[in-house]
Amino acid sequence: DAMVIQNPRYQVTQFGKPVTLSCSQTLNHNVMYWYQQKSSQAPKLLFHYYDKDFNNEADTPDNFQSRRPNTSFCFLDIRSPGLGDAAMYLCATSRGRGSNQPQHFGDGTRLSIL
Amino acid sequence: KQEVTQIPAALSVPEGENLVLNCSFTDSAIYNLQWFRQDPGKGLTSLLLIQSSQREQTSGRLNASLDKSSGRSTLYIAASQPGDSATYLCAVRRETSGSRLTFGEGTQLTVNP
Repeated sequence: DAMVIQNPRYQVTQFGKPVTLSCSQTLNHNVMYWYQQKSSQAPKLLFHYYDKDFNNEADTPDNFQSRRPNTSFCFLDIRSPGLGDAAMYLCATSRGRGSNQPQHFGDGTRLSIL
Repeated sequence: KQEVTQIPAALSVPEGENLVLNCSFTDSAIYNLQWFRQDPGKGLTSLLLIQSSQREQTSGRLNASLDKSSGRSTLYIAASQPGDSATYLCAVRRETSGSRLTFGEGTQLTVNP
């Protein structure tokens, strides 16, 4: 049973057209993360939520925003996608920030920019 | 700044062979190290997590070791099978970085029947 669910699996958008990716979890974990992974590269953390506390990485572009309306859902908004934003976007969860528990990942959304 | 390196970048072996994947990290002040598997076009599946106080973890045919002082971890796969073909990534969680994981770029493993 999928525990971290990302929709859609594939997303195509036009250059400059806003797009939203979604993630939901059935694990009731406190922490939710968004990673960007470009082809053959390591996943790169964009930001994470600890409950409602938003933590942005210093080098995450302003073009990327996130919302977490409740424990189960987290959204990634890209306000004006550029060609360089084409990537796999991975959502992950963990039980707590201080917890020595593994991060659980969804299957990702592959974003293409036309 | 923590850097994680995985060598080799790609590995091809015949079925049945035992193999070792390597991961090294520059800052030994880590909280834990996690090994993941990634199939093409898919997300990451957690395989093993080793806490900083542990030396190794085992799950089925997989064994991961950690030498924190030398900044190294290995993932040992016994009796490899074609279904093991995937990219294997290691990631470290630093003591001072909260929940943040720093990933290596992975080793792409192909097991040939």
